[in-house]
Amino acid sequence: NAGVTQTPKFQVLKTGQSMTLQCAQDMNHNSMYWYRQDPGMGLRLIYYSASEGTTDKGEVPNGYNVSRLNKREFSLRLESAAPSQTSVYFCASSSDRGRLEQYFGPGTRLTVT
Amino acid sequence: QKEVEQDPGPLSVPEGAIVSLNCTYSNSAFQYFMWYRQYSRKGPELLMYTYSSGNKEDGRFTAQVDKSSKYISLFIRDSQPSDSATYLCAMKGGETSGSRLTFGEGTQLTVNP
Repeated sequence: NAGVTQTPKFQVLKTGQSMTLQCAQDMNHNSMYWYRQDPGMGLRLIYYSASEGTTDKGEVPNGYNVSRLNKREFSLRLESAAPSQTSVYFCASSSDRGRLEQYFGPGTRLTVT
Repeated sequence: QKEVEQDPGPLSVPEGAIVSLNCTYSNSAFQYFMWYRQYSRKGPELLMYTYSSGNKEDGRFTAQVDKSSKYISLFIRDSQPSDSATYLCAMKGGETSGSRLTFGEGTQLTVNP
C-alpha cells in the first residue's frame, strides 16, 4: 500500500500561471481533503470531498478549484497563481469509520514568484 | 481570533525530560481532541485522540482534556531525540459535524541527546 501519494513534490510557478496538484489514495477511503500549511497559520482546509462526486469549500477556498475524479483521486487546481499561494500543500484521506484519523500525503512545496 | 490556539515554540529540551504541549480552544462544540505528529518535510500522522474530557495514556504519551477550561495537553515522559517533531493539536465536533478537523498551528519540539 502506497497510502496517499501526491505529485509533484516541488513546483515553482510565475504569477498568473496555472497548475494542477494531483493526489491519489489506495485505502478505499470515501473522504479526501486538501490543506495548505503556512508558518504562523498551521494547517488550513482548502476543499474537501466527503464522497465521490461531491466537493465542499473549506476555510480558504478562494483561488482554487478541485475535482474528485473518482474514489481514488482528488486534484487541486490553481487557475492563476499568486505569490500568496506560496505554501506547502497536503492531501489527506479518511474512512467513514475512522474520521478522526486522516492519512496525509508527503506534501507539495509550491513557490509562486 | 483563531478557534484553536497553540504556542508554536520552538521548544528545546534535554533527553529524558518531561514535555508538556498545550492548546486552548474557543468552540464549545468540539468533542474529539487529537494530537498529530509531523516530522520535518513529512505529512502529519495521528498520535492519539481523546473523546470529551479526561486522560488517555499510550506508552510515554498522555493526552489530557479539560473541557471546562477549553484546554488540552499532551505530555511526553522520558523524551527521546526521536520525539523531535512538530506536534499539532486537532479538534472535531460531534458525530453530526462531519469529518472536518480544526488544527492548531503546531509546536516545534527538539529533544537534545
